[in-house]
Amino acid sequence: DADVTQTPRNRITKTGKRIMLECSQTKGHDRMYWYRQDPGLGLRLIYYSFDVKDINKGEISDGYSVSRQAQAKFSLSLESAIPNQTALYFCATSDPGTSLNEQFFGPGTRLTVL
Amino acid sequence: GQNIDQPTEMTATEGAIVQINCTYQTSGFNGLFWYQQHAGEAPTFLSYNVLDGLEEKGRFSSFLSRSKGYSYLLLKELQMKDSASYLCAVTSFTGGGNKLTFGTGTQLKVEL
Repeated sequence: DADVTQTPRNRITKTGKRIMLECSQTKGHDRMYWYRQDPGLGLRLIYYSFDVKDINKGEISDGYSVSRQAQAKFSLSLESAIPNQTALYFCATSDPGTSLNEQFFGPGTRLTVL
Repeated sequence: GQNIDQPTEMTATEGAIVQINCTYQTSGFNGLFWYQQHAGEAPTFLSYNVLDGLEEKGRFSSFLSRSKGYSYLLLKELQMKDSASYLCAVTSFTGGGNKLTFGTGTQLKVEL
């Protein structure tokens, strides 16, 4: 089945370390997104990309960077992790060719920064 | 900017009907989604409204009034497995495409 996958699923790291979260999709969608989810704050958009050469900041991009290496891959990096980046991170994809344009989410990466 | 409000928590009884409300203020409105999210899992699509009115899909219905900036999700014949968080999300048109903004979610607890 066409799918959205994220690696790793869980990660514990220390303050100051560089971390990369990876997202791959087999849906053939052009658009990809990174969100973080915190209790009581809902899902917040970090970065999004509408195609391979397109990168856009979301509402909370500070402290993060992204790379869209190919249509199928969208990576999120924390250059120097800090404890308040502890959260559940979701990657999502969407297909602009459909009128619905719903977003399909990966299973999530639970990141803990000590 | 975007502002989306929905209740934090709701409790309902198995077999009953529950209505989860969502109000929003946004520019460039281009549709409203409802997602279901079980604890620790990915959100999954439930419904989409872009025109005023009611969309029905099995036990789930969603209503939209664009003039009032209001939507609700109606769940009928509640089952224990419906215990989850329900996310209201507004899509707005930005340069080059649509962007989703999520509410903080309504945690629904279904009891016997």
